[in-house]
Amino acid sequence: QQQVKQSPQSLIVQKGGISIINCAYENTAFDYFPWYQQFPGKGPALLIAIRPDVSEKKEGRFTISFNKSAKQFSLHIMDSQPGDSATYFCAASKGGAAGNKLTFGGGTRVLVKP
Amino acid sequence: GAVVSQHPSWVICKSGTSVKIECRSLDFQATTMFWYRQFPKQSLMLMATSNEGSKATYEQGVEKDKFLINHASLTLSTLTVTSAHPEDSSFYICSAPGTHFHGYTFGSGTRLTVV
Repeated sequence: QQQVKQSPQSLIVQKGGISIINCAYENTAFDYFPWYQQFPGKGPALLIAIRPDVSEKKEGRFTISFNKSAKQFSLHIMDSQPGDSATYFCAASKGGAAGNKLTFGGGTRVLVKP
Repeated sequence: GAVVSQHPSWVICKSGTSVKIECRSLDFQATTMFWYRQFPKQSLMLMATSNEGSKATYEQGVEKDKFLINHASLTLSTLTVTSAHPEDSSFYICSAPGTHFHGYTFGSGTRLTVV
């Protein structure tokens, strides 16, 4: 059972454009929603994360929008740069303990054309 | 910030041999370590969760006798792929809960190729 669904699978955007990636989850117990950036041959790196008590979080060019009632959250990359070309994963976890596992979305390959 | 050092970054081995992958938490104590497997162009699949001083918990469908996990100390967790076969070729990644609430730090990954 895929608990976190991510779309699109791939995305091409021009330099300076906006990249938008969407995720939907099923488990209402999830209370932590991070986004990870992964370059080929490397481990994922945390980009930005949000909890359900806020509807939006912005860090630099990256913004998470969160809709609790719809059980959806999205990542917006503003002013996309070629260096942003990578695979992005949304994820979710539940509970307050640090040992709870992450459930990942399927990933989105983003290509930013110069 | 919290750093997880994973070694080796890549390894090539012959079928039937065993390979050990190490993950060390460098500046914090990791009582828990998650081990993932990632096939090309796919997402991360959780294989098992290791806990210091106790047996690892394996996800459904993961052979515990093939993927041996040891978490002997608060800073070291190892994954040993026993009797490796070409279908075990994959990218293996470890992850530990970080020092802040719900933070997870990932290792740099190990590319395993079995020939």
